[in-house]
Amino acid sequence: KAGVTQTPRYLIKTRGQQVTLSCSPISGHRSVSWYQQTPGQGLQFLFEYFSETQRNKGNFPGRFSGRQFSNSRSEMNVSTLELGDSALYLCASSPAGEVGNTIYFGEGSWLTVV
Amino acid sequence: AQSVTQLDSQVPVFEEAPVELRCNYSSSVSVYLFWYVQYPNQGLQLLLKYLSGSTLVKGINGFEAEFNKSQTSFHLRKPSVHISDTAEYFCAVSDQGGATNKLIFGTGTLLAVQP
Repeated sequence: KAGVTQTPRYLIKTRGQQVTLSCSPISGHRSVSWYQQTPGQGLQFLFEYFSETQRNKGNFPGRFSGRQFSNSRSEMNVSTLELGDSALYLCASSPAGEVGNTIYFGEGSWLTVV
Repeated sequence: AQSVTQLDSQVPVFEEAPVELRCNYSSSVSVYLFWYVQYPNQGLQLLLKYLSGSTLVKGINGFEAEFNKSQTSFHLRKPSVHISDTAEYFCAVSDQGGATNKLIFGTGTLLAVQP
């Protein structure tokens, strides 16, 4: 069974640009979450989608957005990039909506903003 | 709101020695507890989780953790470490009564195993 797949793995963007990151969850998983990992702030929850609906959102500005498609694939978008947005963005999926389910993480997308 | 404290940012240990990575949490509601491991340039992998029942939880790669409700702790242990255990370890909690899979992570502990 394929794991959580994230694309692209590495990308470099310029301040002010926007970026879209993609995540394909494990087959059959309906919940997809996104996390930002930085050396200074650690791992922070961005948002979670379940059956195409955003179910929870972390404390990030509106420049960070996401969506989920009917096949459970998800994308996140960051507009008007800032230097501080440089981070590893991790996507995670779980089988269903129940809390306590094992959450499986992808290898992440490394974003560098210059 | 929940929070997780990992008291040690780095733990150096010699190969075949025992190790304990400490994790304390704060929450006004009941939580589920998790330990994840992150190898260099990789995502997170679940080591073990506590949902209910026995307070001693066994995970993969010989790791175990003990839930202590009175001390609000969930320390991770391994009786004998290997070089391959060198990685960053994250403790996390989620709200039992919440309707989402949101995880709150600690700041991580780098386990550095030396030969």
